[in-house]
Amino acid sequence: KQEVTQIPAALSVPEGENLVLNCSFTDSAIYNLQWFRQDPGKGLTSLLLIQSSQREQTSGRLNASLDKSSGRSTLYIAASQPGDSATYLCAVSTDYKLSFGAGTTVTVRA
Amino acid sequence: EAGVAQSPRYKIIEKRQSVAFWCNPISGHATLYWYQQILGQGPKLLIQFQNNGVVDDSQLPKDRFSAERLKGVDSTLKIQPAKLEDSAVYLCASSVHGTGVPDTQYFGPGTRLTVL
Repeated sequence: KQEVTQIPAALSVPEGENLVLNCSFTDSAIYNLQWFRQDPGKGLTSLLLIQSSQREQTSGRLNASLDKSSGRSTLYIAASQPGDSATYLCAVSTDYKLSFGAGTTVTVRA
Repeated sequence: EAGVAQSPRYKIIEKRQSVAFWCNPISGHATLYWYQQILGQGPKLLIQFQNNGVVDDSQLPKDRFSAERLKGVDSTLKIQPAKLEDSAVYLCASSVHGTGVPDTQYFGPGTRLTVL
């Protein structure tokens, strides 16, 4: 059974600082890995999707890396802004199912 | 393009009552998912439909939960009777394929259920 862990559970940084969010998974036989953003009372918004054959994916200030052999992914958010405050979830696709981590709740202080 | 629609957005009931949630996926999406997200946890898949057939319901508590997807479009998730531990956000998602091809899932805003 795939287990996905996200550390830390919560993070508070001053505006402008770079964010580093970690995700680890137990079964390296994945199809892809996604990072989602969840705002309070809202659904999930997909930020980045990395195929298992890729090492990283970039979108604007966001960069996600994937090391499948070690079962790790890292989401980097450059020059954080208060609008980046949200919960970030990592999900891995195994057997066409998504397994989610519990998320990292980020607060960016103005 | 319209996103995944869910209703109601919030529901408060007492234990042992019944409740139903509705989901309308993105037009043309073959696969529909229902997830349960308990506070502080990641979403857990309850049931997955491919068109109007069930692909996976291994984590659905079938003694109290039921779901259907008539005509391969809209879906309804029902809980009868509800327990305190059913308090959670119920998320609906859809994807173009879902089986045979791992692809992006698009999520609705969710229904927050509180069982008193």
